[in-house]
Amino acid sequence: SYDLTQPLSVSVALGQTATITCGGDDIGSKNVHWYQEKPGQAPVLVIYRDSNRPSGIPERFSGSNSGNTATLTITEAQVGDEADYYCQVWDFNRGAFGGGTKLTVL
Amino acid sequence: EVHLVESGGVAVQPGGSLRLSCAASGFTFDDYAMHWVRQGPGKGLEWVSFINWEGDRATYADSVRGRFTIFRDNSESSLYLQMNSLRDEDTALYFCVKGNDNYMDVWGKGTTVTVSS
Repeated sequence: SYDLTQPLSVSVALGQTATITCGGDDIGSKNVHWYQEKPGQAPVLVIYRDSNRPSGIPERFSGSNSGNTATLTITEAQVGDEADYYCQVWDFNRGAFGGGTKLTVL
Repeated sequence: EVHLVESGGVAVQPGGSLRLSCAASGFTFDDYAMHWVRQGPGKGLEWVSFINWEGDRATYADSVRGRFTIFRDNSESSLYLQMNSLRDEDTALYFCVKGNDNYMDVWGKGTTVTVSS
């Protein structure tokens, strides 16, 4: 199975920029998708195919992917952005998720 | 509006069987692939299984292959997961998820499976 590595936690000051990474072997050659999961709620897709935002997702959310690292960037972080974030790829007809990153807004 | 509603999650003993169901609405069900994803207590997301729109191609995580079977009834806009030989480590919240290309764009709220003696 394809391994995806995320930091366990990331902290960001209110109004500043948060960066969450997702590492994988030559991940830049794959499409990476990101999901936000808040306590007690179902996950929500926030970025698909590396850098595309679904309708309803604020422009503050953006993504990039190159080499061995994909990145989710959240600018002007808000308290409402506190959540677990998961990266995901499709590899040899199987899904793979990163371990998840808990974002704390201070 | 797209809705996915899972059902069938209960407490079961190790070695037992269970069938999960997912009722879909708000979109043309047979145009899309579907997935099951699970989340163990205090753990991250784990992809479980995929089925294509037609229902004739399915893939599984190594952890469930040979024990779980995904299938769908397009006439009823329903997705299923037959779970056999259940183990303690199958305890989780199971999500029904709509596929789109190779990402997952709509998630149900999940149904809880508990495997315990």
